[in-house]
Amino acid sequence: AQKVTQAQTEISVVEKEDVTLDCVYETRDTTYYLFWYKQPPSGELVFLIRRNSFDEQNEISGRYSWNFQKSTSSFNFTITASQVVDSAVYFCALSELVGNQFYFGTGTSLTVIP
Amino acid sequence: NAGVMQNPRHLVRRRGQEARLRCSPMKGHSHVYWYRQLPEEGLKFMVYLQKENIIDESGMPKERFSAEFPKEGPSILRIQQVVRGDSAAYFCASSAYKGPTEAFFGQGTRLTVV
Repeated sequence: AQKVTQAQTEISVVEKEDVTLDCVYETRDTTYYLFWYKQPPSGELVFLIRRNSFDEQNEISGRYSWNFQKSTSSFNFTITASQVVDSAVYFCALSELVGNQFYFGTGTSLTVIP
Repeated sequence: NAGVMQNPRHLVRRRGQEARLRCSPMKGHSHVYWYRQLPEEGLKFMVYLQKENIIDESGMPKERFSAEFPKEGPSILRIQQVVRGDSAAYFCASSAYKGPTEAFFGQGTRLTVV
């Protein structure tokens, strides 16, 4: 079963619009970690955030914000006032306390149109 | 403090040749993880190694793929007799402690099989 689901395959927005990328996860562990990574066209993985399962506070970092809701097993990512440089593929990932790997979603390709 | 270094960044091999991908973990890190990203897909776990030991190879294809992390030197992912389907981006991550939660990713090696 897919542990991390990113239902949005591709999203296009016009510059300065807000956009939310959805992430739904599945785990039986009570202790786990959630991540978002950005993969720009150059291909590297850029770490954006890590959240543990005991911290449900929403986080804001500049134009980025994350909404973690255990009740719906979701960890959504919002970009406010999007910019062209935000164009990339964004991956949500899960790691469990007892485990050796990240489980990645299939990614959401975001295109910001100038 | 250099990050995780992967080389080469790009590798082209003809069908039937061998590919060797190298990963030098961050200083002080003794845990290495390899992931494969097929075109238009998320990253999939391949193998987890600790110095001189393979801890978890549940994601490794049964044939032609092998990995090592010797006492000295980088971790090597080796693909023998490459086929077109091996064309992908291969990412390495390293951590100081067991488990991927504190892992850092390298920039990846893009393998193209022609």
